[in-house]
Amino acid sequence: SAVISQKPSRDICQRGTSLTIQCQVDSQVTMMFWYRQQPGQSLTLIATANQGSEATYESGFVIDKFPISRPNLTFSTLTVSNMSPEDSSIYLCSAGGGQGVGYTFGSGTRLTVV
Amino acid sequence: GESVGLHLPTLSVQEGDNSIINCAYSNSASDYFIWYKQESGKGPQFIIDIRSNMDKRQGQRVTVLLNKTVKHLSLQIAATQPGDSAVYFCAGRGSNDYKLSFGAGTTVTVRA
Repeated sequence: SAVISQKPSRDICQRGTSLTIQCQVDSQVTMMFWYRQQPGQSLTLIATANQGSEATYESGFVIDKFPISRPNLTFSTLTVSNMSPEDSSIYLCSAGGGQGVGYTFGSGTRLTVV
Repeated sequence: GESVGLHLPTLSVQEGDNSIINCAYSNSASDYFIWYKQESGKGPQFIIDIRSNMDKRQGQRVTVLLNKTVKHLSLQIAATQPGDSAVYFCAGRGSNDYKLSFGAGTTVTVRA
């Protein structure tokens, strides 16, 4: 299965600023996904990152707040824009989902907004 | 889409005993399920998966059972070890879909 490198692993940011999280996969993958995980909670899908087209966002998440790039089949970024303390969370990327392929996760980015 | 959930938020197990973690799902057309283990400060780690055309699948010390009649799946961990202490999530995917939906998670604590 694919191995994902995600960075940064954690960051403390000032409100009003933006943070870009990067995920690099060691092999080409069709699907990449971005999740948010509040402390002690389950994972909530933010969007699906599509190579060559705009990301597909889930209900409650918008492109202006969480712009996503997917320039090729091994890389994606998620930006958390104009941050507020409510954006403090763990952000995770995932890859996979094709026929017969499981879903692998990065190690997560723990974001604290102050 | 798919909605999955776990029956119990916490499970305390004596080291050496077997653990059983349960999960229910809502969409009878769901075709693929995964169990993940998440340790503190880490991303979810794949444990085992099962497709809807199977009832049971075994891995190393783990077994996943799928009961499509009652839309229920379980993860059994044999001879639970301290390293098994973690949060366990079930996740499901609806047919003709590529997105995973996650359950709430069960925190497993292994007592020495």
